[in-house]
Amino acid sequence: EAGVTQFPSHSVIEKGQTVTLRCDPISGHDNLYWYRRVMGKEIKFLLHFVKESKQDESGMPNNRFLAERTGGTYSTLKVQPAELEDSGVYFCASSQNMGTGTGKETQYFGPGTRLLVL
Amino acid sequence: SQQGEEDPQALSIQEGENATMNCSYKTSINNLQWYRQNSGRGLVHLILIRSNEREKHSGRLRVTLDTSKKSSSLLITASRAADTASYFCATITSGTYKYIFGTGTRLKVLA
Repeated sequence: EAGVTQFPSHSVIEKGQTVTLRCDPISGHDNLYWYRRVMGKEIKFLLHFVKESKQDESGMPNNRFLAERTGGTYSTLKVQPAELEDSGVYFCASSQNMGTGTGKETQYFGPGTRLLVL
Repeated sequence: SQQGEEDPQALSIQEGENATMNCSYKTSINNLQWYRQNSGRGLVHLILIRSNEREKHSGRLRVTLDTSKKSSSLLITASRAADTASYFCATITSGTYKYIFGTGTRLKVLA
């Protein structure tokens, strides 16, 4: 079974440019999450999709970040315009269920996209 | 302190020794999970322990959970150079689905 995949693996852009990150969850996982780790700090939650709907986007830092999951399959996270403080690693994760206590809520992470804004 | 705070922040040991990492959290949880991140790679799920469990084993890994102290430990026995990585605990607060991660423990196993 294929795991969570993310593209690109690395991205180097200049301040003010736009970058779009893509995440393909594990097939059959309705839940998709975005997290990021900035400047060696803790990994922080950004948002959560259930199928194509945003369940929670409370972690999104500001309106320069836009996440979509059209059709409930893959998701994109766009940063426009990018700022220096957006540099970090953006992780995507997917799970079968949400917090049911069955173990199926385990979130499986992708390899991350390393974003560097110069 | 942060939810899901690991200690120590960094640990350096010789191959064959055991490595113990601790994690503390603040709120009630459904379960606690440990992840590993090798340099430049993604997060790999290691083990999940539910709030009604006290200890769990998986190969060379042993995880304990003390909900009264809101803490967990990860023990790696007979460490190998390939265990060199950052280890994170992640908690899900009861009634939510968001993982809260700590800052991680950087483990270095010297051959």
